[in-house]
Amino acid sequence: SQQGEEDPQALSIQEGENATMNCSYKTSINNLQWYRQNSGRGLVHLILIRSNEREKHSGRLRVTLDTSKKSSSLLITASRAADTASYFCATRSNYQLIWGAGTKLIIKP
Amino acid sequence: EAQVTQNPRYLITVTGKKLTVTCSQNMNHEYMSWYRQDPGLGLRQIYYSMNVEVTDKGDVPEGYKVSRKEKRNFPLILESPSPNQTSLYFCASSLYPLIGRVRQETQYFGPGTRLLVL
Repeated sequence: SQQGEEDPQALSIQEGENATMNCSYKTSINNLQWYRQNSGRGLVHLILIRSNEREKHSGRLRVTLDTSKKSSSLLITASRAADTASYFCATRSNYQLIWGAGTKLIIKP
Repeated sequence: EAQVTQNPRYLITVTGKKLTVTCSQNMNHEYMSWYRQDPGLGLRQIYYSMNVEVTDKGDVPEGYKVSRKEKRNFPLILESPSPNQTSLYFCASSLYPLIGRVRQETQYFGPGTRLLVL
């Protein structure tokens, strides 16, 4: 069953702007992960945040986690054309990873 | 180079003709998994394996089989493919997910296998 739900489904912004995507989930989790997928290719891990963490940074990425609201957000700052991709959140609940349907991000030059 | 490989990358077949998609990883990972990806549905887990000879059903196991005889290989078998199994398939591997421990559980994905069942 799909637990993670990304919002928005699609996002189109100008190069240089910040992009924010949200993920909501239903049950308690051990961790939440964000992945990027370029068109039709395998997913690439971006960042993992544990259930006892509230915020994490990696380069231009900032992830927040609010376990009381069962939600997470991924912020990409100073977007580039190469950031055009689909972004997925995945929540780990015991031994399974549950995936959302993804946010399609388009960066316009 | 650390990687997950899948073969074939593209496959067109007919209903009922048994096929196998191979998956191999060179990272000594315990955990391996198969997903299918369909438009608007994201990734859905078919089967996963915690270690050699240990497999379990994911969310959509019907019509699929797997085996884990060796740590590095995790083939996906479609005994009698049907058109509703037309999809993009991904194999992934990671370290064993230790619940409650501080450990990275990054999934490493293969390049995908695009399957069309006529």
